[in-house]
Amino acid sequence: SQQGEEDPQALSIQEGENATMNCSYKTSINNLQWYRQNSGRGLVHLILIRSNEREKHSGRLRVTLDTSKKSSSLLITASRAADTASYFCASGDNTNAGKSTFGDGTTLTVKP
Amino acid sequence: GAGVSQSPSNKVTEKGKDVELRCDPISGHTALYWYRQSLGQGLEFLIYFQGNSAPDKSGLPSDRFSAERTGGSVSTLTIQRTQQEDSAVYLCASSPSGQGGDTQYFGPGTRLTVL
Repeated sequence: SQQGEEDPQALSIQEGENATMNCSYKTSINNLQWYRQNSGRGLVHLILIRSNEREKHSGRLRVTLDTSKKSSSLLITASRAADTASYFCASGDNTNAGKSTFGDGTTLTVKP
Repeated sequence: GAGVSQSPSNKVTEKGKDVELRCDPISGHTALYWYRQSLGQGLEFLIYFQGNSAPDKSGLPSDRFSAERTGGSVSTLTIQRTQQEDSAVYLCASSPSGQGGDTQYFGPGTRLTVL
């Protein structure tokens, strides 16, 4: 089965609100990454958090990692309509060097 | 610099025909990945090339699917005798080192429609 499962599957919020997406994984990881995808095309890397880190910030993005619970969250603060996209987590595990496992994604809609 | 490019951007074919999808990775990247994404779904790993090592083909769904990477650069994904369930967006990505969880840089994808 695929690890890196996001929830919720879909999230709809108003502009200015915060959006929180969660990701769970199954095996030990080197790091976990979040990607964004617009309109079903290529993914764009957002942020990477290493297994020995607990929290990381990049602009309006905040990522947390809890290795004891094998989970991560992505928080987008002060959301904008342009944040509307699908967001995927990808876990890079220790046993398959180079191969990350992607979840099914969370579709975020930010209404103006 | 140039990113990952894929061609064609869209491909419509008839059931039973063979198709070839091309990926040009970022120059110097040692690792190359192919994924498939059905409408509204997540990414399904297909195959992974790392340097001169034997590729990881564990994600290929059937023997109709094959891929090669020539000269450690350009890759071609071939689907023989296409079926309607092969319709999806095929995404290629490359990464600098191919180390565990390396950041992947994605191309825009090829949307394949099998009629």
